[in-house]
Amino acid sequence: GQQVMQIPQYQHVQEGEDFTTYCNSSTTLSNIQWYKQRPGGHPVFLIQLVKSGEVKKQKRLTFQFGEAKKNSSLHITATQTTDVGTYFCAGPPLGSGSARQLTFGSGTQLTVLP
Amino acid sequence: SAVISQKPSRDICQRGTSLTIQCQVDSQVTMMFWYRQQPGQSLTLIATANQGSEATYESGFVIDKFPISRPNLTFSTLTVSNMSPEDSSIYLCSVEEGVRNYNEQFFGPGTRLTVL
Repeated sequence: GQQVMQIPQYQHVQEGEDFTTYCNSSTTLSNIQWYKQRPGGHPVFLIQLVKSGEVKKQKRLTFQFGEAKKNSSLHITATQTTDVGTYFCAGPPLGSGSARQLTFGSGTQLTVLP
Repeated sequence: SAVISQKPSRDICQRGTSLTIQCQVDSQVTMMFWYRQQPGQSLTLIATANQGSEATYESGFVIDKFPISRPNLTFSTLTVSNMSPEDSSIYLCSVEEGVRNYNEQFFGPGTRLTVL
């Protein structure tokens, strides 16, 4: 079955440093979605990328979808303590447009030290 | 965006008992989804709850263990049957909504289940 791995599993950064998490799927994805889960909270949708090579920015966050639509990355510039949480990528295999087959990545837990 | 509530928010149960988790959405949605998140782990889709038909289960999950009801377009229940300590997890329901061209998922707050 489809597997989605993320690296690193854990990341500790000093406030103000940059952070990147990488997402790799064993199969080609229809789209890639990113979610953030704060400690004790539930996942919250951040963004969806659909096109090969697509890059989107949300303030200090930059999301990229690979040319082969099998990998993605999330980069945070100048981290803040509010960025603390676990970041998950998720995606359905190519040909699927709904969450029916949404597979979540293993997640990257980010800790920001003040 | 959809607002989702779940009951109970947490529970501690004895081995061999069953717990029914409720999920209420503030708007009508076609499909609702149930996920399990074991401690420190990612989310795993248990099943898709369709109104008017039986739920569709993912590999590794069966109806006898996780019966699901979907009586209308705003409500669903998930029962965790004959519980064992391995069932200790957070159970989340979610819905998918198309916002612009996105099919983003909205999650409920989750039910934190501990089985002794």
